[in-house]
Amino acid sequence: DSGVTQTPKHLITATGQRVTLRCSPRSGDLSVYWYQQSLDQGLQFLIQYYNGEERAKGNILERFSAQQFPDLHSELNLSSLELGDSALYFCASSVGQRPYEQYFGPGTRLTVT
Amino acid sequence: EDQVTQSPEALRLQEGESSSLNCSYTVSGLRGLFWYRQDPGKGPEFLFTLYSAGEEKEKERLKATLTKKESFLHITAPKPEDSATYLCAVQADTGNQFYFGTGTSLTVIP
Repeated sequence: DSGVTQTPKHLITATGQRVTLRCSPRSGDLSVYWYQQSLDQGLQFLIQYYNGEERAKGNILERFSAQQFPDLHSELNLSSLELGDSALYFCASSVGQRPYEQYFGPGTRLTVT
Repeated sequence: EDQVTQSPEALRLQEGESSSLNCSYTVSGLRGLFWYRQDPGKGPEFLFTLYSAGEEKEKERLKATLTKKESFLHITAPKPEDSATYLCAVQADTGNQFYFGTGTSLTVIP
């Protein structure tokens, strides 16, 4: 158990819908990272937040957005969902801005039908 | 273009048969290179971070090394419980972006 929690575990929704994925980092970690893992593209970095501020941005679609709240939990919002958005979404956390050690959560499996 | 390539895609070893996994990278400026282990349906588990060429780190049967163009993950006398997918990632100076390889799927046969 990494100490990073993600909810929900599984999510099934229809195309065009909007969902919110939630992540709670390990106690004491200030950085949160979001990743998408699909079978054909591997693990893709989406975005990093540090202490509530965006620090790095990867291949995150405009339909996706994220934020980190004062209690350090983070949410990833996915809107206008398409079939291709079906994937495992992982959250990871680390102590500082630099990812010396990232600890990954168990992931949220999103299925878009 | 920044990218990470891992080889081989899959590797089958007999228990006790040592081998190495390769991660080659091209990145404008390397902030760090990371190795993770991932079991099916689970999140990646952190193994090592390497920052500069010549650096080496060890943990149990695993040893990671770094050159200016590639990293190796050496597995000495592997056991069946070492079976997993091993992922390599780099963080670039530009924009602090992360790039992951597609992984090496390791199977260790008793």
